[in-house]
Amino acid sequence: EVQLVESGGGLVQPGGSLRLSCTASGFTFGDYWMAWVRQVPGKGLEWVGSIRQDGSDKYYMDSVKGRFTFSRDNARNSLYLQMNSLGAEDTAVYFCARGGRRFLQLFDQWGQGIRVTVSS
Amino acid sequence: DIEMTQSPSSVSASVGDRVTITCRASQGSISWLGWYQQRPGKAPRLLMSAPSTLQDGVPSRFSGSGSGTDFTLTINNLQPEDFATYYCQQASTFPLTFGGGTRVQIK
Repeated sequence: EVQLVESGGGLVQPGGSLRLSCTASGFTFGDYWMAWVRQVPGKGLEWVGSIRQDGSDKYYMDSVKGRFTFSRDNARNSLYLQMNSLGAEDTAVYFCARGGRRFLQLFDQWGQGIRVTVSS
Repeated sequence: DIEMTQSPSSVSASVGDRVTITCRASQGSISWLGWYQQRPGKAPRLLMSAPSTLQDGVPSRFSGSGSGTDFTLTINNLQPEDFATYYCQQASTFPLTFGGGTRVQIK
């Protein structure tokens, strides 16, 4: 069974940092693009960024460039999101998602989501 | 950036009805587009890749059509479990973008 489990969320003060992790199981993690998608409660989905199978390419949404960094450790079946200089606008539920086999940037598996709250 | 516009934003329907949701891209020709279903408190679920390739396990009452900039998701014979929010997503160009969502509510 494919599983994606996020961890590391919580409450952080404005300007602070947080590191999210996503641990994968049930598939060969290193074969897939991975992504982060976020959702403000009650609002729509927002793509945060994607990372290639070997980590060599990373794409970010404009508003997080320079603040967020993706990485992955294929040996540990893990995806990471380092978030710095957090602001209230980053408050959301963050999902890790797996890119498809055929359509690489359509997300066929999702984690349950982890809440990040930026507030003083 | 490619903006994806969904309509309607909300629709009320009854069990057994047919519901049609449209998604329009602001520019270009979208080669890859997906439709997702999200139930309250749950992660999104990929239903299909456009125009009409259903994911494994997705009931055949879901169908899709379209090309270029205009795409449609149709749900025939609406079932209780179909009351949810639906999103389109273009996967052709970075930044990837989602439509604003269509909430399918019980009439």
